[in-house]
Amino acid sequence: SAVISQKPSRDICQRGTSLTIQCQVDSQVTMMFWYRQQPGQSLTLIATANQGSEATYESGFVIDKFPISRPNLTFSTLTVSNMSPEDSSIYLCTAGEGNTIYFGEGSWLTVV
Amino acid sequence: KQEVTQIPAALSVPEGENLVLNCSFTDSAIYNLQWFRQDPGKGLTSLLLIQSSQREQTSGRLNASLDKSSGRSTLYIAASQPGDSATYLCAVNNAGNMLTFGGGTRLMVKP
Repeated sequence: SAVISQKPSRDICQRGTSLTIQCQVDSQVTMMFWYRQQPGQSLTLIATANQGSEATYESGFVIDKFPISRPNLTFSTLTVSNMSPEDSSIYLCTAGEGNTIYFGEGSWLTVV
Repeated sequence: KQEVTQIPAALSVPEGENLVLNCSFTDSAIYNLQWFRQDPGKGLTSLLLIQSSQREQTSGRLNASLDKSSGRSTLYIAASQPGDSATYLCAVNNAGNMLTFGGGTRLMVKP
């Protein structure tokens, strides 16, 4: 099985700033995903992080706001750009290999 | 596009009751379905994973069933306890480990 380390676990951010969340997997995985959970809501897929190419974004999410990198098969970053209070959420990284999905512990962001 | 719905959205029961949480999905072509628990301010805790070829999984007081053809899953909690109070999420795994989550059921078990 794989273990995912997600950083930061929590942060308080000023509006207008950007923050990058890192997701490190301890083994190579085929798929990596980023989800958002706004307060009182369920988790929504932001994008699929593709190794060596641009991420695939879901409807309602754009690269300018949520740039994603995936330089190799074990690492991905999600940047939340030009943050507003509406971006206060839990951001979750997951990784998939075969039929198994691994979960990060989430990053709790509060924008003030 | 897969859509996952959970009913009820919220549930409050007295301690000791048996209860059923429902999850329905629109696309039956799934690899598996997973039930999670989420406590306030916490991450996800996986409870049960049902592969598409399985009909149910059990863990302690929890039993999850899957009827893929009808697009339904249920989570049965026996003899509920106050410590069971949490939000329960179901998530469907379609192609390539991409999960679609339901809106969750907020459960409160009163002593």
